Amino acid sequence: GQSLEQPSEVTAVEGAIVQINCTYQTSGFYGLSWYQQHDGGAPTFLSYNGLDGLEETGRFSSFLSRSDSYGYLLLQELQMKDSASYFCAVTRGSARQLTFGSGTQLTVLP
Amino acid sequence: ETGVTQTPRHLVMGMTNKKSLKCEQHLGHNAMYWYKQSAKKPLELMFVYSLEERVENNSVPSRFSPECPNSSHLFLHLHTLQPEDSALYLCASSQLGTREPNEQFFGPGTRLTVL
Repeated sequence: GQSLEQPSEVTAVEGAIVQINCTYQTSGFYGLSWYQQHDGGAPTFLSYNGLDGLEETGRFSSFLSRSDSYGYLLLQELQMKDSASYFCAVTRGSARQLTFGSGTQLTVLP
Repeated sequence: ETGVTQTPRHLVMGMTNKKSLKCEQHLGHNAMYWYKQSAKKPLELMFVYSLEERVENNSVPSRFSPECPNSSHLFLHLHTLQPEDSALYLCASSQLGTREPNEQFFGPGTRLTVL
């Protein structure tokens, strides 16, 4: 089976940096994705790591270590609009199915 | 707007009703997915269709029946549901066979309440 672990809640202030960790156990692993979901909204894609290392997309970066079955999402220069739930998800299978973690609720304080 | 639409957005039904959820993607993708999102639980993958063939069925009860008549449309037929089936049902699509990450585009979801 598959399982993912990530913290349930993180709080930070505007302008700060926050790191959301994710550990996983899975078979047929292709990569680790990150999705953002605002209250009442649909999940939207943020980042993907298929290989070890760091991927940077603007204020967001994501890291993967396949040997450690570990990844993280790094959010820099936090803004109020970054308050949302963040999900890590392993990509597996012929249809690149996603298995999601339970999500991390990020609250950004002024 | 993500290019994936879902109707209805809200649905209240009794346990003896039959209803259907509809999903349409306008992105030209070749794979579509149904997820269930309950409070305090991860998004759960229910069904996957790739090139209109069902690829995966994650031990979903038979009271949920998917249908994918073409690459742009996906349905979830519901009958004799239970109150614990109340949740947000999300549809997503992606384009397979291209370079990773094959990101999935989600619709806004249908909020289902079973009385």
